[in-house]
Amino acid sequence: GAVVSQHPSWVICKSGTSVKIECRSLDFQATTMFWYRQFPKQSLMLMATSNEGSKATYEQGVEKDKFLINHASLTLSTLTVTSAHPEDSSFYICSAPAVLLMNTEAFFGQGTRLTVV
Amino acid sequence: AQSVTQLDSHVSVSEGTPVLLRCNYSSSYSPSLFWYVQHPNKGLQLLLKYTSAATLVKGINGFEAEFKKSETSFHLTKPSAHMSDAAEYFCVVSDGYGGATNKLIFGTGTLLAVQP
Repeated sequence: GAVVSQHPSWVICKSGTSVKIECRSLDFQATTMFWYRQFPKQSLMLMATSNEGSKATYEQGVEKDKFLINHASLTLSTLTVTSAHPEDSSFYICSAPAVLLMNTEAFFGQGTRLTVV
Repeated sequence: AQSVTQLDSHVSVSEGTPVLLRCNYSSSYSPSLFWYVQHPNKGLQLLLKYTSAATLVKGINGFEAEFKKSETSFHLTKPSAHMSDAAEYFCVVSDGYGGATNKLIFGTGTLLAVQP
């Protein structure tokens, strides 16, 4: 099947610094990628839709200036958490749709656990 | 708007006994529905999906789910639980006609515990 690789798998950063998370489609092209966030004991919530070559679409309540998304190529989308604060500590996961055996399926990265101290 | 409700936040079963994880959906049109599994500190793995074909969907690892329009349900079942099935399970609906090409709306999850 299609593989989505997300890096890093975990990161600890100081409050006020920025963290970049990468999401790569390894064996297919992804014009669209989705970024989700999962707080402890909660479900995954969509943050934004990343579109190759155009601006990302953010869900209501997600600060676009804080969560910068870049989708400059068909295989890479990045999420940068700027000026991170402890409340940004969460599990971030990306997904990309790919056609597998004539069906479209969402493939997820391994996720990134961000801890802001 | 599309939504899913997972009726149980925790389910505990004994190894070798059946598993039932309940999910109800709300959709203004014929939905695409999915079940995903998440093992601790891991990403998400697709178990199975329903996209308006057969109402009984078979997935990986012996799981299956039945789409019941009259009950707006998509419950996940497995005849015999294995210790390795212990994980969190998410019922998911696609927000749009494109199935997985659209954003996915997740239920709150059901944590399955399997007792030896």
